[in-house]
Amino acid sequence: GAVVSQHPSRVICKSGTSVKIECRSLDFQATTMFWYRQFPKQSLMLMATSNEGSKATYEQGVEKDKFLINHASLTLSTLTVTSAHPEDSSFYICSASPGQWEKLFFGSGTQLSVL
Amino acid sequence: AQSVTQPDIHITVSEGASLELRCNYSYGATPYLFWYVQSPGQGLQLLLKYFSGDTLVQGIKGFEAEFKRSQSSFNLRKPSVHWSDAAEYFCAVGAKAAGNKLTFGGGTRVLVKP
Repeated sequence: GAVVSQHPSRVICKSGTSVKIECRSLDFQATTMFWYRQFPKQSLMLMATSNEGSKATYEQGVEKDKFLINHASLTLSTLTVTSAHPEDSSFYICSASPGQWEKLFFGSGTQLSVL
Repeated sequence: AQSVTQPDIHITVSEGASLELRCNYSYGATPYLFWYVQSPGQGLQLLLKYFSGDTLVQGIKGFEAEFKRSQSSFNLRKPSVHWSDAAEYFCAVGAKAAGNKLTFGGGTRVLVKP
């Protein structure tokens, strides 16, 4: 089946630094990728939708200058958390679709801890 | 706007017993409905989905779900749970009119007693 690879699986960083998370579709071209955030014992909250070659669409309340999303190719999207602070600590999950939107594949997630 | 409610935050079930997880949705048109399972620290795995047709949907790992339009529900069931079924389960609703985005319920954590 289709595979979405997300790296790193876990990252610890100091407050004020930036962290980049990669999401790759390994065996299909992902025209659309989604980024979610999940707090402990809570549900997934959609942060943004990225389409290859265009700017990401952010959900209300998500700071686009804080969470930079780049979808430069059909197999790679990146989420950069800029000037990270402890409140940005969370589990981030990406998902990718080959265009048939009902086919959606999830990465294994990235646990970000900001000290 | 679409929304999903999973009324049960936690459910504890004995191994071998049946399991039913509730999901209620709100959406004006026919929704596309999904059930996902998440193990700790992991991403989501699709168990099953409903788009149209037969309202009883069979999924992986012995799970099934039934779409009931009159009740706006899409409950997940398994006749006999295994210890490996302990996980977090999420119901989600999607719609083309909503830009193909999924809205997730709050999740139900399933604990399996030996």
